[in-house]
Amino acid sequence: EPEVTQTPSHQVTQMGQEVILRCVPISNHLYFYWYRQILGQKVEFLVSFYNNEISEKSEIFDDQFSVERPDGSNFTLKIRSTKLEDSAMYFCASSQYRGLRETQYFGPGTRLLVL
Amino acid sequence: EDQVTQSPEALRLQEGESSSLNCSYTVSGLRGLFWYRQDPGKGPEFLFTLYSAGEEKEKERLKATLTKKESFLHITAPKPEDSATYLCAVRGSNDYKLSFGAGTTVTVRA
Repeated sequence: EPEVTQTPSHQVTQMGQEVILRCVPISNHLYFYWYRQILGQKVEFLVSFYNNEISEKSEIFDDQFSVERPDGSNFTLKIRSTKLEDSAMYFCASSQYRGLRETQYFGPGTRLLVL
Repeated sequence: EDQVTQSPEALRLQEGESSSLNCSYTVSGLRGLFWYRQDPGKGPEFLFTLYSAGEEKEKERLKATLTKKESFLHITAPKPEDSATYLCAVRGSNDYKLSFGAGTTVTVRA
C-alpha cells in the first residue's frame, strides 16, 4: 500500500541553525501539507501546498518557515533559524483530491529537537 | 475558528469491554469529520471520514457515528491491539486544513 515517507526520523540541531525536513508524498497525490505536534499537545496545521503555491497557512507558519517541491517527488519544510519552541514532531500529509472526498494521509513524522 | 473537543482524555478498558469516545465540534460548514488512530511516536493513521449527520462507518471493532454537533467512536469488544490514541479532526467549508482535537488515549488490558 502506498504511503507517505519522511526523512530523517530524528533531527537534533542547535538553536539558530537551519533545518530541512523532507517528505515523499504518495505518488499520485497533488495536495501536500505540513503539521506539527508539540509533545503532549494537539496536532497543529502549518501549511498546505498545491501546484507550487501555498494554498493556506497558519499563524505559526511565519517568515522563518518555507516549503518547496524541488522535484517531482519530494516536498520539503525549511526552518531558517530554529528556536527552542520549534522542538516537535513534524508530520507531512498528502491527498489525492481536494474537496468533499479529500482524505489526508500522514507520514511517520520527523522528531525535531532544538538545543 | 474551528474547535474540536474530545472526551474522555484517557480510557482504560478490560479486553472485551465495549465503550465510546466522544468528539464534539464547532465548525463553519462541515466538509468532513475524520477519525485517526495514532500510536506512540508515529503519524496519524486514517480510519474514517463522516460527512453528514446520521452517517455511520464501520471497520472491524470500530464504528463511527455523526450528529450535527458531535461524533462518537464506538469500540466493540476491544483487544489489546486497539490500544492507541484516537484523534478526531474536522475540515470546514473554507479550509484546506484539518483541525484536530487533543485525542483520547485508550488502553486495553488483557
